[in-house]
Amino acid sequence: DQQVKQNSPSLSVQEGRISILNCDYTNSMFDYFLWYKKYPAEGPTFLISISSIKDKNEDGRFTVFLNKSAKHLSLHIVPSQPGDSAVYFCAARRTRGGADGLTFGKGTHLIIQP
Amino acid sequence: GAGVSQSPRYKVAKRGQDVALRCDPISGHVSLFWYQQALGQGPEFLTYFQNEAQLDKSGLPSDRFFAERPEGSVSTLKIQRTQQEDSAVYLCASSSDRGVNQPQHFGDGTRLSIL
Repeated sequence: DQQVKQNSPSLSVQEGRISILNCDYTNSMFDYFLWYKKYPAEGPTFLISISSIKDKNEDGRFTVFLNKSAKHLSLHIVPSQPGDSAVYFCAARRTRGGADGLTFGKGTHLIIQP
Repeated sequence: GAGVSQSPRYKVAKRGQDVALRCDPISGHVSLFWYQQALGQGPEFLTYFQNEAQLDKSGLPSDRFFAERPEGSVSTLKIQRTQQEDSAVYLCASSSDRGVNQPQHFGDGTRLSIL
């Protein structure tokens, strides 16, 4: 039972354009969400997070949007650069009374084409 | 370095052998987590420590898996009588505080292959 779903296994975007990665969750108790970026043979690297009290968080080229009613979040990367090519994982956590570990999606492989 | 350090990076063992995986968290980080990542999947939570206390071990798949953090810094994940289905990347992460929304920072993992 996947509580965090990334329905696109891969996404190809032209350099300079916007990359939009999507994530859906089923557990309404999740209240903290994170995006991680992973290169081959390396561990996931934290990118950006958002608490459920917000609907948007921005950090440089990266913006995360949260739609609580739809249980949906997205990561926007503008402009996309070749170094952004990696696997992106969406993760969620319940901060009150829940498990302390993160629940991850299966990842989306982002490919930035020159 | 300043990041989470895991050793060994690669481990090959025969089925039935015991293995031990080590994690050095970021200095001063109170919280430490272990995850298992199978090929093509996202990381799955195994266990959580706050200092030396193991507060959550709900993700450990069987009693063959055991984790410890005796002095509240370095942690070891031990797998006894390894099976082929234990083959995966084992990731360790640490964060600075349990109650606040702090991100978990990951090491590069140990790739375990059971023959």
